[in-house]
Amino acid sequence: KQEVTQIPAALSVPEGENLVLNCSFTDSAIYNLQWFRQDPGKGLTSLLLIQSSQREQTSGRLNASLDKSSGRSTLYIAASQPGDSATYLCAVQGTGNQFYFGTGTSLTVIP
Amino acid sequence: KAGVTQTPRYLIKTRGQQVTLSCSPISGHRSVSWYQQTPGQGLQFLFEYFSETQRNKGNFPGRFSGRQFSNSRSEMNVSTLELGDSALYLCASSLLSGGMGEQYFGPGTRLTVT
Repeated sequence: KQEVTQIPAALSVPEGENLVLNCSFTDSAIYNLQWFRQDPGKGLTSLLLIQSSQREQTSGRLNASLDKSSGRSTLYIAASQPGDSATYLCAVQGTGNQFYFGTGTSLTVIP
Repeated sequence: KAGVTQTPRYLIKTRGQQVTLSCSPISGHRSVSWYQQTPGQGLQFLFEYFSETQRNKGNFPGRFSGRQFSNSRSEMNVSTLELGDSALYLCASSLLSGGMGEQYFGPGTRLTVT
């Protein structure tokens, strides 16, 4: 069974800092990986989807990379803002034909 | 284009009762997946429906069931509610089945069982 781990579980940074969130998965046979953000008590907002054939995706201040062979993905957030405070989740879709979610990284950006 | 909608947004039920949650996917999406989110277990996959057929099922007891209608709207039913069923229930819609496509989530239904 696919297991997805996110490190760190919580992160607090001052506004303006660049940061990296990590996601690792145990089965490298994945079809795609998706990053989401979740605000407290709310649903998930899709940030970036990386297909298995891709190595990275960019959207504004966000850049996600994927290294299937090592079972890792990173989400890079440039010039962090207080509005970026949320929980960030990664999910992988593999041979089980369902998304497996990590436990998330809770990010706090301090003004 | 309207996003994924879920009704009701909040629900309070008593142990032993049953509950039905509804999810309307993005127009044109035929896949609807359901997830349970709790502080202890995180996000766990319940099941996926595509074109009115259950395509995949997570590791939940038979008290959790679902269905999908011809307009792709989906319902999830939980019978004989237990305290441990208190959670945020999220549905996600996608163009493709099996998690192959990008998933779009609704705001969730917060279920509290007392």
